[in-house]
Amino acid sequence: QSALTQPASVSGSPGQSITISCTGTSSDVGGYNHVSWYQQHPGKAPKFIIYEVNYRPSGVSNRFSGSKSGNTASLTISGLQAEDEADYYCSSYTSSATLVFGGGTKLTVL
Amino acid sequence: QVQLQESGPGLVKPSQTLSLTCTVSGDSITSGSYYWSWIRQHPGKGLEWIAYIYYSGSTYYNPSLKSRVTISVDTSKDQFSLKLSSVTAADTAVYYCARLTWSAGWTFDYWGQGTLVTVSS
Repeated sequence: QSALTQPASVSGSPGQSITISCTGTSSDVGGYNHVSWYQQHPGKAPKFIIYEVNYRPSGVSNRFSGSKSGNTASLTISGLQAEDEADYYCSSYTSSATLVFGGGTKLTVL
Repeated sequence: QVQLQESGPGLVKPSQTLSLTCTVSGDSITSGSYYWSWIRQHPGKGLEWIAYIYYSGSTYYNPSLKSRVTISVDTSKDQFSLKLSSVTAADTAVYYCARLTWSAGWTFDYWGQGTLVTVSS
């Protein structure tokens, strides 16, 4: 199975909004709403911030939101803050009952 | 609060078998809504899903690793384990165990802190 496709890096200034895309196929992202997003700070374990495309777990800021169109899911972070600087990964369930991650996106807050 | 903790050797010789155990606390591994999974991250690289298991023993593997991976569960100890055979330097990575919640969109909602395994002679 191939990794989902994410941009290697994105950047934005404090207060701005950014969007990270996650492109798969009809066998994963496009076929199910089982897309999740994770935030990983250096040296730390990933933390899930979005599940089922657009649901936020308790305790996650409403500045984080998710969406999906066709085979591409997206994570939007509004009102960028310095603490948002991290690596972000998407994941999806697949038609083979497996899981696949995106390659990861490094977010830089300028 | 669910907690997961990886344990095992931090150094493995090439061609040998990497063995790790994940101990779950704060919840029973036999809770029906969850699978239990291993994920790894090569140094400076992205996440790679390895396998997941249900408490009953049902297993699912990443096709690219399937020939070398075995995941197992010990419900009496609330533990699950990973074995990766015939390791090479390419298997050097941080290995995470995680809870996979199928009822919430197949999300890895709890993670261990990760353990670095280096393959070197």
